[in-house]
Amino acid sequence: AQTVTQSQPEMSVQEAETVTLSCTYDTSESDYYLFWYKQPPSRQMILVIRQEAYKQQNATENRFSVNFQKAAKSFSLKISDSQLGDAAMYFCAYRRGNQFYFGTGTSLTVIP
Amino acid sequence: DAGVIQSPRHEVTEMGQEVTLRCKPISGHNSLFWYRQTMMRGLELLIYFNNNVPIDDSGMPEDRFSAKMPNASFSTLKIQPSEPRDSAVYFCASSLRGQGKGYTFGSGTRLTVV
Repeated sequence: AQTVTQSQPEMSVQEAETVTLSCTYDTSESDYYLFWYKQPPSRQMILVIRQEAYKQQNATENRFSVNFQKAAKSFSLKISDSQLGDAAMYFCAYRRGNQFYFGTGTSLTVIP
Repeated sequence: DAGVIQSPRHEVTEMGQEVTLRCKPISGHNSLFWYRQTMMRGLELLIYFNNNVPIDDSGMPEDRFSAKMPNASFSTLKIQPSEPRDSAVYFCASSLRGQGKGYTFGSGTRLTVV
């Protein structure tokens, strides 16, 4: 069974600093996709970034980037130049076909 | 594109009442998912549809829960009778079928059963 683990229930970062959120997953497949979702207090789930497992290059979206280590089954999210609006719950997710698994989330606090 | 539209945004009901949650997916998306989110259990997949057909409802907790998708632009999740432990945020999400596509989520319905 595929599982997604986020070992950091809570994280905090100073405004303008960089923070890394961890995610590991378990799969026996070689072809899959990984995602990070952001859930602010408004509770809207927002797709932040995605990574194709067959691509070695790490995905980047503006201040958000990932460190994808396929062999280690690790998929961390780095947020650079953190802003107050980045405060939210962040979920790591794995998808293969219509099997979509979410981690338990990391609550990120941004300190002004 | 209006995104995935869910209604109502909030629902408070008494135990034993029937509750119907509604979802309009993004036009052109052919997969639709219903999730439940609670503090204790996180995000749980309840059921998903491909091309309006229910594919996997193994996450539906009990027979009190039922979901339908009569056409490509509308789905409902019904709870009858409702119980206090059903209190949660219920999300609908849609996507284009295919591994590379992430979900687009609705804003969720916060259900409180008293």
